[in-house]
Amino acid sequence: GDSVTQMEGPVTLSEEAFLTINCTYTATGYPSLFWYVQYPGEGLQLLLKATKADDKGSNKGFEATYRKETTSFHLEKGSVQVSDSAVYFCALSLNSGGSNYKLTFGKGTLLTVNP
Amino acid sequence: DAGITQSPRHKVTETGTPVTLRCHQTENHRYMYWYRQDPGHGLRLIHYSYGVKDTDKGEVSDGYSVSRSKTEDFLLTLESATSSQTSVYFCAISETTGPSGNTIYFGEGSWLTVV
Repeated sequence: GDSVTQMEGPVTLSEEAFLTINCTYTATGYPSLFWYVQYPGEGLQLLLKATKADDKGSNKGFEATYRKETTSFHLEKGSVQVSDSAVYFCALSLNSGGSNYKLTFGKGTLLTVNP
Repeated sequence: DAGITQSPRHKVTETGTPVTLRCHQTENHRYMYWYRQDPGHGLRLIHYSYGVKDTDKGEVSDGYSVSRSKTEDFLLTLESATSSQTSVYFCAISETTGPSGNTIYFGEGSWLTVV
């Protein structure tokens, strides 16, 4: 079945460090790919998405490129801030028939950024 | 932010009692979902709906039922709550067309404790 594997955390960085969170997927078709962020005590917010191969999603300084050849969608940010501390989820969405879209999530990566 | 309201936001209940969580949306989206979030498991789909009175099971549906009598409301019922159902429950919505097509938006969560 469809699955998402993301690097296990926790990840701890100093402010202004470079961030990479790896995400790879397995899917039977051509999925859309997403990164969601969850701040403490809150729901999940869409961070960025890409719907086809070689698309780059970007938002708030975060970027991820849909790589079909490596089935990957790694999240990157050039300079993290304390306010980026959160749990990050990689996810895929695939049409399972009848225009029905469901998300399959990775298990999440906790990022802590220290001042 | 997507117009999704979950109620109650926090609840403590006793083992064996029925519990109903409500999700209300103001976006008129066709699809609605219930997920649960647990440490080490990420988010798992419980049930989803693709229209009024049209629902289907997700990967962890045992012990749960749902109903959708109106486009805007999706109810999740724990028929006889057990301690293993202590979790954070998230409602989500999506639509397949338009600029937000195929993107799932989440509510802020309902924290349920079964004692």
